[in-house]
Amino acid sequence: DTGVSQDPRHKITKRGQNVTFRCDPISEHNRLYWYRQTLGQGPEFLTYFQNEAQLEKSRLLSDRFSAERPKGSFSTLEIQRTEQGDSAMYLCASSLVGSGLRNQPQHFGDGTRLSIL
Amino acid sequence: AQSVAQPEDQVNVAEGNPLTVKCTYSVSGNPYLFWYVQYPNRGLQFLLKYITGDNLVKGSYGFEAEFNKSQTSFHLKKPSALVSDSALYFCAVRDLGFQKLVFGTGTRLLVSP
Repeated sequence: DTGVSQDPRHKITKRGQNVTFRCDPISEHNRLYWYRQTLGQGPEFLTYFQNEAQLEKSRLLSDRFSAERPKGSFSTLEIQRTEQGDSAMYLCASSLVGSGLRNQPQHFGDGTRLSIL
Repeated sequence: AQSVAQPEDQVNVAEGNPLTVKCTYSVSGNPYLFWYVQYPNRGLQFLLKYITGDNLVKGSYGFEAEFNKSQTSFHLKKPSALVSDSALYFCAVRDLGFQKLVFGTGTRLLVSP
């Protein structure tokens, strides 16, 4: 178990640029989640995948945000035309669900901190 | 909608003393509750969960939590605090019918030597 891995750890970009983050979940975990955390707040849910299917999206996920998990393994989160308000920590989590595996905890990566200049 | 509240922004305790970090919840149906800890510039680490069963749940690093249905609380406790326990603690509830976690605003725990 190597844990959830996120890349990059830090991203600084100018307003209006596009950015993409990657998340590698714990191997064999079939669920993958994205959250956003701003300073002084708890994480807020953005979206989640079961295998390659995106099953839920938050209203926080505007049209500028898109997430994919093409082969049911790693996932990417892209933000287009970044804005100042996008500055936050973007956290990825994964979990394993299935028969006899209910309410398993989500395991988080160390996040990608995005700063918009 | 499911929600949790953490009424204290910060809790201060001396090393060796017991600690309590408070959490109250509001849910429809049975609550599925979690505690996570976050160290600076790191992600969240799972500590423990309550699904059903015993009201006292034991977790990682000597932490435990007491589920109280009548008071709708799920307080995190530790008998003897360590300086290394200083961190940000989040209570969370699983959203009914969905899979997302809904987090509180967090409580900063400061353990002084």
